[in-house]
Amino acid sequence: IVMTQTPLSLPVTPGEPASISCKSSQSLLHANGDTWLAWYLQKPGQSPHLLIYMASNRASGVPDRFSGSHSGTDFTLKISKVEADDVGVYYCMQGLQTPYTFGQGTKLEI
Amino acid sequence: EVQLVESGGGLVQPGGSLRLSCEVSGITFSRYWIHWVRQVPGKGPVWVSRINENGGITNYADFVKGRFTIYRDNAKSTLYLQMNSLRVDDTAIYFCALDLAGARDQWGQGTLVTVS
Repeated sequence: IVMTQTPLSLPVTPGEPASISCKSSQSLLHANGDTWLAWYLQKPGQSPHLLIYMASNRASGVPDRFSGSHSGTDFTLKISKVEADDVGVYYCMQGLQTPYTFGQGTKLEI
Repeated sequence: EVQLVESGGGLVQPGGSLRLSCEVSGITFSRYWIHWVRQVPGKGPVWVSRINENGGITNYADFVKGRFTIYRDNAKSTLYLQMNSLRVDDTAIYFCALDLAGARDQWGQGTLVTVS
């Protein structure tokens, strides 16, 4: 499954909203009703950490400024009001089938 | 607090072998699938392999099939990756990741493997 993420670079102003898109080459809907799409943020020198799982569920401890949504094979991560600490590279990843695959990454810069 | 700590990375010559370990604490290890993901610095992550809760099911990326073996010891809460026939393009940081893409998703800090 190919994951196509846009944009690759996203300059933002603190306090303003931001949006990242990810498109999968096929449906990520499992037979049990779960949609296997996750969003990660990787800060410099760190491992990726989970923001959103199953397309729209915020991971534990993730601020509610972050939200995930989807329509078919189009997925969106939204940050309602960007903060300086949000800088890093954002990745989408499908976990429906192996090999799990990642988007190219979006570098968010203030 | 869930912690994953990788070890075993280092410098190895092409054709050589390494065994990576990932020790997990703070969670019931035997209840989760666990994965290896690698990343060349400055590039995106790439999924490598996964193993199910009891070790009976394993999957590999095509580029490591036949060379890498994933296995786990639930009594020691430890995941392993035996890497044989290493190539220069296997050079990367290797992360272990518990419950990848799931609600309990957690990654270690990684261990650097350099094949040169």
